[in-house]
Amino acid sequence: EVVLTQSPDFQSVAPKEKLTITCRASQSVGTSLHWYQQKPGEAPKLLIKYGSQSLSGVPSRFSGSGSETDFTLTISSLEAEDAAMYYCHQTTDSPNTFGQGTKLEIK
Amino acid sequence: EVQLVQSGAEVRRPGESLTISCETSGYTFITYFLTWVRQVPGIGLEWLGHINPTDSFTEYAPSFEGRVTLSVDKSTRTAFLQLSSLRASDSGTYYCARRDSILTGQDLWGQGTRVTVS
Repeated sequence: EVVLTQSPDFQSVAPKEKLTITCRASQSVGTSLHWYQQKPGEAPKLLIKYGSQSLSGVPSRFSGSGSETDFTLTISSLEAEDAAMYYCHQTTDSPNTFGQGTKLEIK
Repeated sequence: EVQLVQSGAEVRRPGESLTISCETSGYTFITYFLTWVRQVPGIGLEWLGHINPTDSFTEYAPSFEGRVTLSVDKSTRTAFLQLSSLRASDSGTYYCARRDSILTGQDLWGQGTRVTVS
């Protein structure tokens, strides 16, 4: 199965700063890599699909890039409400798999 | 309103089985796959499988194969997850979620069903 490794595991960042989270796949997943945000007590929320496609209603400060094995999620100008866990998720291969998650704390 | 509403929390003993339902509304039921994902503290998110409501085509994660069964009832727009031979390690929160193709991400999630096996 495809193993997704995210880095960092944890990041503490001040408001208005920029954060980049990376997701590396153990084999190519093409562009079928998606990003989710999850806040405590809530279900995951889809932020970016197919590596770089934004979704309606998601703030423009969230963007994604990458293909094959290397992907990034960038949050520009962080806000307090961005404190959450972030996960990458591949759907190219069965079983679908998730990264281990990145916890974002806002200072 | 477009939503997925899951059944309530469950408590089971090891060896027992459980069924979780996921009632959908607000969209054309057969145009979206339904995926099931488990979240276990310390383990993270695990994909159990998905089902195509059009023809009930299913795909399961190998680690759950033989213990998990996904089904749908088109008349009630409801999806079901059955998990058998439960063990303590099956404790966690189970989510249903929809996706509009086999390759895309899940754009709508249920609220989650907490399962305790003890």
